[in-house]
Amino acid sequence: DSGVTQTPKHLITATGQRVTLRCSPRSGDLSVYWYQQSLDQGLQFLIQYYNGEERAKGNILERFSAQQFPDLHSELNLSSLELGDSALYFCASSVAPGGKGKDTQYFGPGTRLTVL
Amino acid sequence: DAKTTQPPSMDCAEGRAANLPCNHSTISGNEYVYWYRQIHSQGPQYIIHGLKNNETNEMASLIITEDRKSSTLILPHATLRDTAVYYCIVRVESAGNKLTFGGGTRVLVKP
Repeated sequence: DSGVTQTPKHLITATGQRVTLRCSPRSGDLSVYWYQQSLDQGLQFLIQYYNGEERAKGNILERFSAQQFPDLHSELNLSSLELGDSALYFCASSVAPGGKGKDTQYFGPGTRLTVL
Repeated sequence: DAKTTQPPSMDCAEGRAANLPCNHSTISGNEYVYWYRQIHSQGPQYIIHGLKNNETNEMASLIITEDRKSSTLILPHATLRDTAVYYCIVRVESAGNKLTFGGGTRVLVKP
């Protein structure tokens, strides 16, 4: 158990819909990362937040957005869903925004999104 | 981030040491080598990381060559539960701190 929690575990929805994935970081971690893992793309970095502020962006679609709240939990919002958005979505957390090589990311169990 | 090259798959006998190689010939001086593994569709699990020196923890050992162009992850006594995809990642210190996952090595531990 990494200490990172994600809800829900599974999500099934239809094309065009909007969903929200939730992540609670490990106690004491200020940084949250979102990754997407699809069959054809592998694990890809989407976005990072540190203490409520966006820190870095990866291959995140404009239909996707995220935020980190004052209690440090984070939500990933996916809208206008397409079949290709079906994937595993992982959240990771770390203590600091990065650097020194000691800021290890710990991953949650993921949310499996199925878009029908 | 420096690119890494890993064999796509390897088998290992239960109870024996598993040696997983990784090439990162373009690594820079401030880039760390990280190893994660993913068991089935679970979240990636951190194993170990290092910069120059060899490292050991309760899960594994990491051997980094002197020129830092390659490394080896050693699982000293592989068990069936070590069957997973193992990812070698070279991560540069940056504000983003993102991890760039490649294809990894699919390790199958056989009884």
